[in-house]
Amino acid sequence: GAGVSQSPRYKVAKRGQDVALRCDPISGHVSLFWYQQALGQGPEFLTYFQNEAQLDKSGLPSDRFFAERPEGSVSTLKIQRTQQEDSAVYLCASSLERVHEQFFGPGTRLTVL
Amino acid sequence: AQTVTQSQPEMSVQEAETVTLSCTYDTSESDYYLFWYKQPPSRQMILVIRQEAYKQQNATENRFSVNFQKAAKSFSLKISDSQLGDAAMYFCAYRSAGGNTPLVFGKGTRLSVIA
Repeated sequence: GAGVSQSPRYKVAKRGQDVALRCDPISGHVSLFWYQQALGQGPEFLTYFQNEAQLDKSGLPSDRFFAERPEGSVSTLKIQRTQQEDSAVYLCASSLERVHEQFFGPGTRLTVL
Repeated sequence: AQTVTQSQPEMSVQEAETVTLSCTYDTSESDYYLFWYKQPPSRQMILVIRQEAYKQQNATENRFSVNFQKAAKSFSLKISDSQLGDAAMYFCAYRSAGGNTPLVFGKGTRLSVIA
């Protein structure tokens, strides 16, 4: 079946613009995670959804970051008033409940000029 | 908080040879999972191998095997018969047990395979 998909694959934004990054998890996967991967670093956790409920948003770096999953499937990560330090790859992962493996999407590379 | 350390930023191996990537972690938990992920230039994070902490037997997946030393909090990855397609970033990751919890990643090791 289809894997996790993310769009767009690349996004260039001017400082101060708002951006929206989309994640389509694997069908039937209850859990959805967002990670931020800075250049040359490992991914870092941002937020976690179980169905439509956002159970953990402790990793969001500021109140400019907002994520939603209104119907428990597709998720959107929104960044308001982008800053240069927001430049990174944003990875989405999904998993079945009570299963160890998280399946990752290809990521969105965000560049803020 | 849990931390994962990969002390080798870069490694290289000759094709068909064996290479070992190191990983140590810090946790006060007794039940957890450990993973090695491969990330090629396409950025797609691919699971290579996983280990449940309660299992003493080291996990193996074809040419990939781990050396899990729970007391030492060490989790190294051995790649045998290295192939050109093994060239990628490799990330060690930790996950607490009990429900869906986020992965904690190391900084990664870039593996080059020399023909």
